[in-house]
Amino acid sequence: QSVLTQPASVSGSPGQSITISCTGTNSDVGSYNLVSWYQQHPGKAPKLVIYEGNKRPSGVSNRFSGSKSGNAASLTISGLQGEDEADYSCCSYAGGSAWVFGGGTKLTVL
Amino acid sequence: QVQLVQSGAEVKKPGASVNISCKASGYSSTKYAIHWVRQAPGQRLEWMGWINDGNRNTRYSQKFQGRVTFTRDTSASTAYVELSSLRPEDTAVYYCAREGPSYNFDDWGQGTLVTVSS
Repeated sequence: QSVLTQPASVSGSPGQSITISCTGTNSDVGSYNLVSWYQQHPGKAPKLVIYEGNKRPSGVSNRFSGSKSGNAASLTISGLQGEDEADYSCCSYAGGSAWVFGGGTKLTVL
Repeated sequence: QVQLVQSGAEVKKPGASVNISCKASGYSSTKYAIHWVRQAPGQRLEWMGWINDGNRNTRYSQKFQGRVTFTRDTSASTAYVELSSLRPEDTAVYYCAREGPSYNFDDWGQGTLVTVSS
């Protein structure tokens, strides 16, 4: 499986919104509505923030939202806060009982 | 409360093998698959594969096929990964993660740093 494509970095000011893209193929993102997003602070384990493309686990702020169109998914964080500064990775089920991650995006809150 | 607790950091020489454990608590471990994901320093998350519990089925990423083995001890609620023929590029933090009902990873272990160096 190939790696999902994400921008290396994005930035935004407190209160603003940012969007992180995740581009796959018609073998993974395009074939399944099973994209998940993970937030990872330095030295910590990843944390699930979005699953099935646009659903939030209990306890995750409603400032996090997700969407998908064709072979691309995106994560939007609105009302940016300092605590949102972290790495974000997308992941998709790729069929054949396999999964694939994106390259990761570093979010900087200015 | 779901918890996945992994074994401690390891330092290995090239060519050696490493075995990492992941003990689950707070849920019925027989109902969920465990995935292994690694992250080299400053690099992306990399999916290695999974093991389910019911029938011990496994699925390995092609990249690790032949070098990695997943096992589980149901009675101890513990999953294991063994990676053999270690090379310096295997230096990474290795995570176990529980597969949630929606093909996601809803809980993670704290990670185990494996350093491969001569």
